[in-house]
Amino acid sequence: GAVVSQHPSWVICKSGTSVKIECRSLDFQATTMFWYRQFPKQSLMLMATSNEGSKATYEQGVEKDKFLINHASLTLSTLTVTSAHPEDSSFYICSATGFGYNEQFFGPGTRLTVL
Amino acid sequence: KQEVTQIPAALSVPEGENLVLNCSFTDSAIYNLQWFRQDPGKGLTSLLLIQSSQREQTSGRLNASLDKSSGRSTLYIAASQPGDSATYLCAPGKLVFGAGTILRVKS
Repeated sequence: GAVVSQHPSWVICKSGTSVKIECRSLDFQATTMFWYRQFPKQSLMLMATSNEGSKATYEQGVEKDKFLINHASLTLSTLTVTSAHPEDSSFYICSATGFGYNEQFFGPGTRLTVL
Repeated sequence: KQEVTQIPAALSVPEGENLVLNCSFTDSAIYNLQWFRQDPGKGLTSLLLIQSSQREQTSGRLNASLDKSSGRSTLYIAASQPGDSATYLCAPGKLVFGAGTILRVKS
């Protein structure tokens, strides 16, 4: 139980385009989802926290207009990287938690490469 | 703001050795601490979750301890195997990760 999936697993896009990444909780209701970014050889950095039906809370230094997060249902959150640039190339990982859980469950990650 | 330090940053050991990975954190007001494993280019796999009221947790060859008052946790790996090679991350609370320890077990 407590499985989280991400789609796509990898994506390559041109600079200036937008990319949407999906995070789904497959077998539980995710009241809260987290989005992380991981640059090569670095640890995970929290970008934002989203509660179902509410606006996401962004960490300091993360542009909310560039990284649009939607958490419209208890099983799906999306991260849209708008007007992507090469410096946005990174590994994006989501995690989720819900009622009855006191730990996070992580998705497999999405590798974004912006050319 | 929680700050997490993991020592050593990298470790290379021969197969069969017992080893200890260390994690220290500055804010002891945590509900739990998790240890994760990350293989290159992959997501995170949860290894152990220790509640703040617990001192340790065991799963197979892995044992994690937590000393909340001193802001420390250790992950003990017994009889290491090449398949244990990965980056190990600790996360006190929910939102902050250490930089990880890169483990390489040589056959």
